[in-house]
Amino acid sequence: KAGVTQTPRYLIKTRGQQVTLSCSPISGHRSVSWYQQTPGQGLQFLFEYFSETQRNKGNFPGRFSGRQFSNSRSEMNVSTLELGDSALYLCASSAITDTQYFGPGTRLTVL
Amino acid sequence: GQQVMQIPQYQHVQEGEDFTTYCNSSTTLSNIQWYKQRPGGHPVFLIQLVKSGEVKKQKRLTFQFGEAKKNSSLHITATQTTDVGTYFCAGQNNAGKSTFGDGTTLTVKP
Repeated sequence: KAGVTQTPRYLIKTRGQQVTLSCSPISGHRSVSWYQQTPGQGLQFLFEYFSETQRNKGNFPGRFSGRQFSNSRSEMNVSTLELGDSALYLCASSAITDTQYFGPGTRLTVL
Repeated sequence: GQQVMQIPQYQHVQEGEDFTTYCNSSTTLSNIQWYKQRPGGHPVFLIQLVKSGEVKKQKRLTFQFGEAKKNSSLHITATQTTDVGTYFCAGQNNAGKSTFGDGTTLTVKP
């Protein structure tokens, strides 16, 4: 099976812009979770989608949003980017409530 | 909300020495998972523990889940340079929500 894929791998934006990141889960996996990873904050949970519904949500401002499509692919959107949003954004897919398989991540730099 | 504390944050060892990282949850867990992230890489699943008091081994790695299902540990015997990376625990509650610890970064001096 192909692994979790994330696009783009690298992104540079400026403050105030918005960005959309994409995640394609492993075939057959219906759960997709998003995490923000920064050197000082570890892995911070953003949200989890299952069958197109947001099932769990972390403590991030409303500027962070996501959605999941019928084919389980997921997108994450960040509006009005801030310098502090610079991070590695990881997507993980799993089959129901099971082991999470992480993608390579999207490295976002906000200038 | 659920919190997962992991210690130590950093551990530097000489090759051949043992290493242990500990994970403690503020609430009882449904299961706990361990991941390893190599420098520049992404977290990779190592193992999942489900039963109270469970102990699992993978070669030089020993994983334990506490009797109360609130704590866990990962022990590496005779570390090698290939063991370097950050080890994360992730506690999952009955609702399926996972909370990651902040990780323990292991460096191994040859």
